Formats: sequence, C-alpha cells, structure tokens
Amino acid sequence: NAGVTQTPKFQVLKTGQSMTLQCAQDMNHNSMYWYRQDPGMGLRLIYYSASEGTTDKGEVPNGYNVSRLNKREFSLRLESAAPSQTSVYFCASIQGAGYNEQFFGPGTRLTVL
Amino acid sequence: RKEVEQDPGPFNVPEGATVAFNCTYSNSASQSFFWYRQDCRKEPKLLMSVYSSGNEDGRFTAQLNRASQYISLLIRDSKLSDSATYLCVPSGGSYIPTFGRGTSLIVHP
Repeated sequence: NAGVTQTPKFQVLKTGQSMTLQCAQDMNHNSMYWYRQDPGMGLRLIYYSASEGTTDKGEVPNGYNVSRLNKREFSLRLESAAPSQTSVYFCASIQGAGYNEQFFGPGTRLTVL
Repeated sequence: RKEVEQDPGPFNVPEGATVAFNCTYSNSASQSFFWYRQDCRKEPKLLMSVYSSGNEDGRFTAQLNRASQYISLLIRDSKLSDSATYLCVPSGGSYIPTFGRGTSLIVHP
C-alpha cells in the first residue's frame, strides 16, 4: 500500500498561473481532505469530500476548486495563483467518519512568485 | 473560544525529562481524540488515539478529561528524537477533524 500520494512534491508558479495538485489514496477511504499549512501555523482546511461525488468548503476555500474524480482521487486546482497561496499543501483521507485516524500525504510545497 | 487550543511552546527540555502538554477543546460532542506528531515541514503522523479516559503506549500517556474538556499528553524519559510539533485533534464523528496549532517540543542533550 502506498497510502496517500501527492504530486508534485514541489512547484514554483508565477502570479496568475494555474495548476492542479493531485492526490490519490489506495486504502479505499471514503473521506478526503485538502489542507494548507503556513509557517508557524496549524493546518487549515481548504475543501473536503465526505464521499465520492460530494465536496464541501472548509475554512479557507477562496481561490481554490476541487474535484473528487473517483473514490481514490481528489484534486485541488488553483485557477489564478497569488503569492498568498504560497504554502505547503497536504492531502488526507479517513476511512468512514471522523472517529478514525487521518492518513496524510507527504505534501506539496508551492511557491507563487 | 477557538475550537482547539494548545500552548505553542516551544517546550525546551533536557534528555530524560518528563514533559506534559495540554489541549482544550470547545466542542462537547467530540467523541474521539488524536495526538499527531509532525516533524518539520513533513506530514502529521498519528501518535495516539484516545476514545475513553486515556491511553498509554510506552513512554507516552494521553489522558482525557471530558468534564473540563481537555486532553493531555505526557512524555516520559524524553529522547532527542521526540523533538517535533504535537497536534491535538478532537473529532465529533463529523467529517471535519479540527486541528490545533500544535505544541513545539525541543529535546536537547
């Protein structure tokens, strides 16, 4: 089992460029999440998907869109990147509801110039 | 009141010391609780789960006080490798686990 995988690991964008961060899990988990983490800060939820076919906004959704492509994959899109979106992005998944442990991917380190 | 509050630290302790962190939470419906460990700029990884009053795993003990709405993490005989940020996560069965900012621990020789 690879667990939760994320691509790319690092990315540098110019302001206004777009990109999609990919996340996949092979644990047959129902729920998937996208977080961002800024230096010295906690994890802030961007979007989540409780199950295949559903997505909901989290704490900081502005400037992002998501797609739950199937049960395995949950992508995060930046349509027009801004320097304020420079951060480390983590994808996570849970089997069932929030009673269970979250498994995290290794993160994508994004810099927007 | 924030959903999860933790003292950010850093807690600076010598090897072999015992150190304890507290975490308070506001959602009284929280049913399960997790302590995650996060090394610098890496993904969080589960350290302990707490479903009843407490849990113990080797040098690590977590205790839950539902009446006062806090959970604690005790680390005995600290090792250099324990240096990390410890994240407290209450969960109420909803789909949105709530993270605190974490408590930074530095263990020095």
